[in-house]
Amino acid sequence: ILNVEQSPQSLHVQEGDSTNFTCSFPSSNFYALHWYRWETAKSPEALFVMTLNGDEKKKGRISATLNTKEGYSYLYIKGSQPEDSATYLCALNNDMRFGAGTRLTVKP
Amino acid sequence: EAGVAQSPRYKIIEKRQSVAFWCNPISGHATLYWYQQILGQGPKLLIQFQNNGVVDDSQLPKDRFSAERLKGVDSTLKIQPAKLEDSAVYLCASSLGTNFKGEQYFGPGTRLTVT
Repeated sequence: ILNVEQSPQSLHVQEGDSTNFTCSFPSSNFYALHWYRWETAKSPEALFVMTLNGDEKKKGRISATLNTKEGYSYLYIKGSQPEDSATYLCALNNDMRFGAGTRLTVKP
Repeated sequence: EAGVAQSPRYKIIEKRQSVAFWCNPISGHATLYWYQQILGQGPKLLIQFQNNGVVDDSQLPKDRFSAERLKGVDSTLKIQPAKLEDSAVYLCASSLGTNFKGEQYFGPGTRLTVT
């Protein structure tokens, strides 16, 4: 993998569903990975900074894991709510390369 | 604490016209970034300043884009002349230092439409 890739591109879930999406990145020369949440018409908001292989971080119903050896990070949302609807971006901090994002829509 | 401010929020111009965007970072943040986010893509770093010096401008199209950071605080990004493909959201972000492990704080962005 040469670029930062995110999947799926978009996701529609029902309120209460749990969901997860993936950020894949080049595993060589890893420094740090950031997750951001970007709601429409608002500023991107930092969720997590992941630095160590095996890192697991949690903020409320949202958590993230990191595998630097295989080059991926997962973002999990437990019990999705309509207010979780946003685009979730990951960025490789070596050179601030962003993925294209996963657009999450949570239906009430 | 006040966040990163950007203006204008929206701008519509015709191709070949000029446009300028303004950013005021969080007070005390030494590092300032400008990103271009084209619809369907992730933000792309255009330029990074450390105080009033340029750290990285490798992806800035220098034939038409220019940026400056006056006195190490506010910054302006200019496009002259604009092309259709410059239509995008231009995001400004700031951080305390150049340590890439630190958080970046983003402004709301300027949505540019070139017709």
